[in-house]
Amino acid sequence: SQKIEQNSEALNIQEGKTATLTCNYTNYSPAYLQWYRQDPGRGPVFLLLIRENEKEKRKERLKVTFDTTLKQSLFHITASQPADSATYLCALSRGGYNKLIFGAGTRLAVHP
Amino acid sequence: DGGITQSPKYLFRKEGQNVTLSCEQNLNHDAMYWYRQDPGQGLRLIYYSQIVNDFQKGDIAEGYSVSREKKESFPLTVTSAQKNPTAFYLCASSPQRERNEQYFGPGTRLTVT
Repeated sequence: SQKIEQNSEALNIQEGKTATLTCNYTNYSPAYLQWYRQDPGRGPVFLLLIRENEKEKRKERLKVTFDTTLKQSLFHITASQPADSATYLCALSRGGYNKLIFGAGTRLAVHP
Repeated sequence: DGGITQSPKYLFRKEGQNVTLSCEQNLNHDAMYWYRQDPGQGLRLIYYSQIVNDFQKGDIAEGYSVSREKKESFPLTVTSAQKNPTAFYLCASSPQRERNEQYFGPGTRLTVT
């Protein structure tokens, strides 16, 4: 069955540094890969989407890469701030109304 | 003020009782979803609906039921048949688009004792 792996350990970084989160998947061929942010006790918020034929997508301080050969996506936050502290979820889909498959998320803590 | 609302935020029930969680959206989205989130696990899909009066089971539909009588509303009933109902429940919607990004409500935390 399909599987998504995100680092279960929290990522602790210093303010101003670049945070890099990893999403690996197996037994699946997604057409789209999405990243969401979730704060404690709240619903996830959509951040970025990247298509299978795209290598990289940027939005302000966020950058996502997608390597379908390695079956991996990297999510970067540059010039990180304490306000970026949250759990980040990756999700895969084949598009249309095919369901999203979510990873368990990686918690990011940015320290002043 | 557009968005998805879920109520209540916290819900407590005794074992053996059915309970209905509300989800309303004014984004004019066709598709709506219900997920369950447990600590350390990804979101798991319970039910989804692509259009009014139609819905499909997700990965963990047993013990749950839904209805979609209006485009704006997609209530979830947690029945007494659900063996482990205590969880954080999230409702989401997405527009009729290929990309299928989803917009989530604030969630309802259900505790059954």
